[in-house]
Amino acid sequence: GQNIDQPTEMTATEGAIVQINCTYQTSGFNGLFWYQQHAGEAPTFLSYNVLDGLEEKGRFSSFLSRSKGYSYLLLKELQMKDSASYLCAALDSNYQLIWGAGTKLIIKP
Amino acid sequence: GAVVSQHPSWVICKSGTSVKIECRSLDFQATTMFWYRQFPKQSLMLMATSNEGSKATYEQGVEKDKFLINHASLTLSTLTVTSAHPEDSSFYICSALTPEASGGPQETQYFGPGTRLLVL
Repeated sequence: GQNIDQPTEMTATEGAIVQINCTYQTSGFNGLFWYQQHAGEAPTFLSYNVLDGLEEKGRFSSFLSRSKGYSYLLLKELQMKDSASYLCAALDSNYQLIWGAGTKLIIKP
Repeated sequence: GAVVSQHPSWVICKSGTSVKIECRSLDFQATTMFWYRQFPKQSLMLMATSNEGSKATYEQGVEKDKFLINHASLTLSTLTVTSAHPEDSSFYICSALTPEASGGPQETQYFGPGTRLLVL
């Protein structure tokens, strides 16, 4: 079956760095997405990776290893507004998005 | 990024009534839109894939006669919750695929702001 695993909840300190991991098992693979979702709001697009390696976009970076079925989202210089759920989603061979349950990130002062 | 709107953002209705939710792509044409629902503290659940000019594809367990989807134009898809009941209360979110990426390797979904439905 198809499956996405990511931690349920993480806590980090303002100004620090946090890495949110995601492992996936899908029927075929056409890329991996990270979305941010604040409580009560719809998800917003953060990143897309289809090739191995690190993609940097400001304070956020996303990494993919296709051979390991693994990705992570790296958030630097954490701000209180980064408190949100972070959703990992993999695109399978039918171009369907398979969603993880999300990682709730709590930022403490 | 691309802009997707949803209307209304909040709906409170009586049990037994029908509610229509609109999803619009504002600055691009979307041949494919998706409808999700999300219960509190849970992940997104895909309900159906809406393709312009054809019938929607429903996920297993989603009643197509209860959740009517119409994708009449390249910028508008509607979800109608018929004979709503309290258990239909949820957060309904639509998303649209950017057209240049549809079916390709860089498919990106952009989400509408969501519609919160409360059935009394």
